[in-house]
Amino acid sequence: GNSVTQMEGPVTLSEEAFLTINCTYTATGYPSLFWYVQYPGEGLQLLLKATKADDKGSNKGFEATYRKETTSFHLEKGSVQVSDSAVYFCALRRTGNQFYFGTGTSLTVIP
Amino acid sequence: DGGITQSPKYLFRKEGQNVTLSCEQNLNHDAMYWYRQDPGQGLRLIYYSQIVNDFQKGDIAEGYSVSREKKESFPLTVTSAQKNPTAFYLCASSIGRGIYGYTFGSGTRLTVV
Repeated sequence: GNSVTQMEGPVTLSEEAFLTINCTYTATGYPSLFWYVQYPGEGLQLLLKATKADDKGSNKGFEATYRKETTSFHLEKGSVQVSDSAVYFCALRRTGNQFYFGTGTSLTVIP
Repeated sequence: DGGITQSPKYLFRKEGQNVTLSCEQNLNHDAMYWYRQDPGQGLRLIYYSQIVNDFQKGDIAEGYSVSREKKESFPLTVTSAQKNPTAFYLCASSIGRGIYGYTFGSGTRLTVV
């Protein structure tokens, strides 16, 4: 079946630290992969996406590379800010409408 | 600006009552979705609709009902048959089948009192 596994949270980092949030997936064929971000009390916002192997999605200093050989799509940022504190969701989309979301990883950045 | 509007932001319901959550979009998106979010469980799909007057059950449709009479609107009714309705409900929409991703509303927090 299709599924997404994210690293357990919560993650707490100091400002300007390097961030990695691991995401691995199980899917048949060639899914598209996404990272969404959710700020407290809000809906999810699309952060970045990649539609094929070796694609790199990037936005607002965040990056993730679609690695088919390791079935991974890890989220990285070189220097986090307090404003990056949120919950991050990895997701995959197979043919058809349905997305499969991970359970989310909470990030807190302290000054 | 285009977007998805969910209302109300907070909703309280007495046990045994039905309640309807509103979702309206002005993005001209074809497809709309309802998700339920519980702590530590991520998002679970309740219902989705690809076109007007058509909708499909998701993974946890029991105790919920929807309608899609207009392209812009996809209301969700939480019925008294839903055993544990307290949750955060998210509505989303997409162009076609979502190849570019979903656009989400800001959610409705439902609490049963």
